[in-house]
Amino acid sequence: GAGVSQSPSNKVTEKGKDVELRCDPISGHTALYWYRQSLGQGLEFLIYFQGNSAPDKSGLPSDRFSAERTGGSVSTLTIQRTQQEDSAVYLCASSLLAGVSGANVLTFGAGSRLTVL
Amino acid sequence: QKEVEQNSGPLSVPEGAIASLNCTYSDRGSQSFFWYRQYSGKSPELIMFIYSNGDKEDGRFTAQLNKASQYVSLLIRDSQPSDSATYLCAVQRTGTYKYIFGTGTRLKVLA
Repeated sequence: GAGVSQSPSNKVTEKGKDVELRCDPISGHTALYWYRQSLGQGLEFLIYFQGNSAPDKSGLPSDRFSAERTGGSVSTLTIQRTQQEDSAVYLCASSLLAGVSGANVLTFGAGSRLTVL
Repeated sequence: QKEVEQNSGPLSVPEGAIASLNCTYSDRGSQSFFWYRQYSGKSPELIMFIYSNGDKEDGRFTAQLNKASQYVSLLIRDSQPSDSATYLCAVQRTGTYKYIFGTGTRLKVLA
């Protein structure tokens, strides 16, 4: 697609429910990133994918969080048994990898705002 | 120590002045450095990147990198009220495609 598409744009859920957030990257972009931004805070790295594999999952806050990417394209971030502290904007970004020593520009989606009641 | 540090601000400058935004990083082997702008309620958008020591200019924006001091800055000349936003510094971690962001500096340009 022309840009990074995320859905849903807004999700309100009850504590303890599971949620799935979807990201559709720019066509041809090899790398896909998930970040979390709490109100008034910076971007917290969660995970990134190169193709369908995730070399670095170190940012996932707990084992309630998981992510997958299929077909080198769409990615889903799943949060199980949501807690109030999970409330944040979840941002997805994609990048056309230019080599490890190159400058890979991230293009962000509009984000999914999650509110856990 | 945070991996990427920025002063949260707000930094207030009068219209037409130069705004200077600073960022320090801890990983000495970091390779590429980015400045993103984020308007309230919007997603970050790239302003510019730099990976060589020295200055890089793009219009009213100049990025400065000093790897020895582990310091990167962004200068905005002739600041406009439309430049009012949060500016995020991002650093590419050595040998990876992982990007770590600072918490951002909020800039206010006063008309």
